Amino acid sequence: AQKVTQAQTEISVVEKEDVTLDCVYETRDTTYYLFWYKQPPSGELVFLIRRNSFDEQNEISGRYSWNFQKSTSSFNFTITASQVVDSAVYFCALSNGYSTLTFGKGTMLLVSP
Amino acid sequence: GAVVSQHPSWVICKSGTSVKIECRSLDFQATTMFWYRQFPKQSLMLMATSNEGSKATYEQGVEKDKFLINHASLTLSTLTVTSAHPEDSSFYICSARVPGLSSYEQYFGPGTRLTVT
Repeated sequence: AQKVTQAQTEISVVEKEDVTLDCVYETRDTTYYLFWYKQPPSGELVFLIRRNSFDEQNEISGRYSWNFQKSTSSFNFTITASQVVDSAVYFCALSNGYSTLTFGKGTMLLVSP
Repeated sequence: GAVVSQHPSWVICKSGTSVKIECRSLDFQATTMFWYRQFPKQSLMLMATSNEGSKATYEQGVEKDKFLINHASLTLSTLTVTSAHPEDSSFYICSARVPGLSSYEQYFGPGTRLTVT
């Protein structure tokens, strides 16, 4: 069985602060895929990144960066110099490739000016 | 990228009535679509997997007679909430899988907010 744990229910930061959202996963599969989605107040899910289990390289995209560590089964997401527009719920998700997505419970990020 | 639409974006209905939600893949044919439900401040929970031309596969605990899913064409899946009750109020999200790709290659619709009064 697959499981995704996002222990942080809600995080509040002030604009320009860096913030890291944690994601820990459980799976027995050797091949799997990890995702991060953003859900702004409008409700629409926005795809941010997909990582497969064979690629442990960290990735940076603008102010966003992701740290994938198989040794600790973690796939953490960092936003650098946060902005008010980053306020949203962020979901980490997992798939073994032939099943659908298993979502974590989400972390609500509130960025205040 | 692939686009998935949902209609309506929000709906209010009276208890005991039925409401239909449409999910369309606009620029690709989707043999498989997924329906999720999201309660306020909670995660997305998969309700069912909809395959074109066959019966939907429901997740454990989801009443198939209450949540009727029809995937009659390669671009349209519908979810009908029958005899809706206030506890069915939720945010319903569909996604569509691009044919030939893995199940994780899903494109999500914008969601439908259902309120049952």
